Amino acid sequence: QSVLTQPPSASGTPGQRVTISCSGGSSNIGSDFVYWYQQLPGMAPKLLIYKNHQRPSGVPDRFSGSKSGTSASLDISGLRSEDEADYYCSAWDDSLNGVIFGGGTKLTVL
Amino acid sequence: QVHLVESGGGLVKPGGSLRLSCAASGFTFSDYYMSWIRQAPGKGLEWVSFITTSGEIIYYADSVKGRFTISRDNAKNSLSLQMNSLRAEDTAVYYCARGSDFFDQWGQGTLVTVSS
Repeated sequence: QSVLTQPPSASGTPGQRVTISCSGGSSNIGSDFVYWYQQLPGMAPKLLIYKNHQRPSGVPDRFSGSKSGTSASLDISGLRSEDEADYYCSAWDDSLNGVIFGGGTKLTVL
Repeated sequence: QVHLVESGGGLVKPGGSLRLSCAASGFTFSDYYMSWIRQAPGKGLEWVSFITTSGEIIYYADSVKGRFTISRDNAKNSLSLQMNSLRAEDTAVYYCARGSDFFDQWGQGTLVTVSS
């Protein structure tokens, strides 16, 4: 069971906006940065958002992240078919002294 | 261009051992913390371990503590994971990744299957 809670699935049609939530606690999201990864089918994960809302070079600005208290969210606007993937949030946990991941959200583009 | 290439995966019996390696190139390996992350078939990501630049600080997930050992050879740009007393639940793709609290570069992964 993941310490960070994400919905198992999300969906949208091309062009729509989708939001994926990530809920944690005071020892992780509440006290540290949140990161998001995209994992395309059969591929290794890729860093999508770092330090709550920063985008690595090459990540489209359709992807945005935010954090409030012990929760975070990933917004994807202008949904495209190539966005169909698994999305994971993560944070350092001070109690566990390690990185924790959410269970992942499978995004389907209808 | 950054490359991380894992090797050493395979089929091993419960209780057995396996050593994974990760060859790094395209960046100054000795400047970066490095980590192992795994993903069981059809499941989510699980952080396994990280090591600081000189190996002075190492952390492990509780699920592998006492059984797995992470190490690095900065002269050879190499990261390793020695896995002992393997269990069925250790079956996963193991990824080498650059970073400690977040991971900006990942290898393609190597599959470890623990089964009799």
